[in-house]
Amino acid sequence: DAGVIQSPRHEVTEMGQEVTLRCKPISGHDYLFWYRQTMMRGLELLIYFNNNVPIDDSGMPEDRFSAKMPNASFSTLKIQPSEPRDSAVYFCASSTGPTDGANVLTFGAGSRLTVL
Amino acid sequence: AQSVTQLGSHVSVSEGALVLLRCNYSSSVPPYLFWYVQYPNQGLQLLLKYTTGATLVKGINGFEAEFKKSETSFHLTKPSAHMSDAAEYFCAVSGGYQKVTFGIGTKLQVIP
Repeated sequence: DAGVIQSPRHEVTEMGQEVTLRCKPISGHDYLFWYRQTMMRGLELLIYFNNNVPIDDSGMPEDRFSAKMPNASFSTLKIQPSEPRDSAVYFCASSTGPTDGANVLTFGAGSRLTVL
Repeated sequence: AQSVTQLGSHVSVSEGALVLLRCNYSSSVPPYLFWYVQYPNQGLQLLLKYTTGATLVKGINGFEAEFKKSETSFHLTKPSAHMSDAAEYFCAVSGGYQKVTFGIGTKLQVIP
């Protein structure tokens, strides 16, 4: 398996533009997570899905952020309109769910977003 | 509720010296604990995990961690640092549910 695949790896955009980040999880993984990484706040969980259904979106910062998972092999995180404070690395991770109680995540390489 | 505190955002050690990265957790239920490593421009990779049973957990690349319930700690150690260990290390906790909460990370510098 190629692992969790994210695109684009780097995105530079101007304030007010729409940004779409994409993720392909590992085949057979029922859980998909979106995290945001910044220097100040570290890794924050934005939202996660189980079997394509959003389970917890309490980490989504505001209405400008939305996430979808139309099928088991694809998810998007959209920011509209984007703002400079959204600049961060966005990670997608997938898992099979808790095994022995422990939920082991496999991360993608991340999408580095810069909003000017 | 669950949280993780990593003591020291930056740690420097000499090559061959002991590596000790500190992590304290808070969890309202018996915790599952993890250490992940992140190399530059890459995603996080699992180093080791604690579920139940033996409190000393061995991971990849010679790392190990000990779960101490009385101290709510899960410190990461390696007897002898190697240049290739330079990376950022994240402690994480899960309460047995799907949600995993990460610490802010500790950057390890290895000095030749």
